[in-house]
Amino acid sequence: QVQLVQSGAEVKKPGASVKVSCKASGYTFTNYAMNWVRQAPGQRLEWVGWINAGNGYTRYSQKFQGRVTMTRDTSAGTAYMKLSTLRSEDTAVYYCARDTNYYASSGFYDYWGQGTLVTVSS
Amino acid sequence: SYELTQPPSVSVSPGQTARITCSGDALPKKYPYWYQQKSGQAPVLVIYEDNKRPSGIPERFSGSSSGTMATLTVSGAQVEDEADYYCYSTDSSGDWVFGGGTKLTVL
Repeated sequence: QVQLVQSGAEVKKPGASVKVSCKASGYTFTNYAMNWVRQAPGQRLEWVGWINAGNGYTRYSQKFQGRVTMTRDTSAGTAYMKLSTLRSEDTAVYYCARDTNYYASSGFYDYWGQGTLVTVSS
Repeated sequence: SYELTQPPSVSVSPGQTARITCSGDALPKKYPYWYQQKSGQAPVLVIYEDNKRPSGIPERFSGSSSGTMATLTVSGAQVEDEADYYCYSTDSSGDWVFGGGTKLTVL
């Protein structure tokens, strides 16, 4: 069965970086794109960007352009999201979500990770 | 920046029909998607490409669109349908945007 297992909770200071991992199993990792979505406490969901797990192509939300980097390790079946220059407003649960499309973010995310809480506090 | 506007809350009694709206200027050209999120859980897709249901989603969930408005309908709402519902779509630049979410209460 398809599973996405994310890394554990992180506490970071303002200005630092965080890297969240998402290990996929139960399917061919390189045949699907992976999206990242975050949710601040009590707030709406927010799309961060996506990566084509096959060729590594990325597209980021304009809001996070310059601060976010998405990568993948095909041998490990793992996707990563790094967010830099953290501020308190980045405190949120970060989710990875498998896209049913390979070539682009389609909006149809059929499997989600359990979420990783990132807390930014001095 | 592009916005999708939803009512903050909708309340119905069990067995009644709940309708959740989502308005956005690009909706006439961009498909809406609908996600259900129960407390403390990851979202689940309930409607895609305006009116299609993923496998495993009950038939009581349906979607429709007219102009700049999309609507998620839950016919015969059940207590287990209580959740936050988010519409989701793209803007003209290709960025994906969620609506503000609607809390559906069934009691």
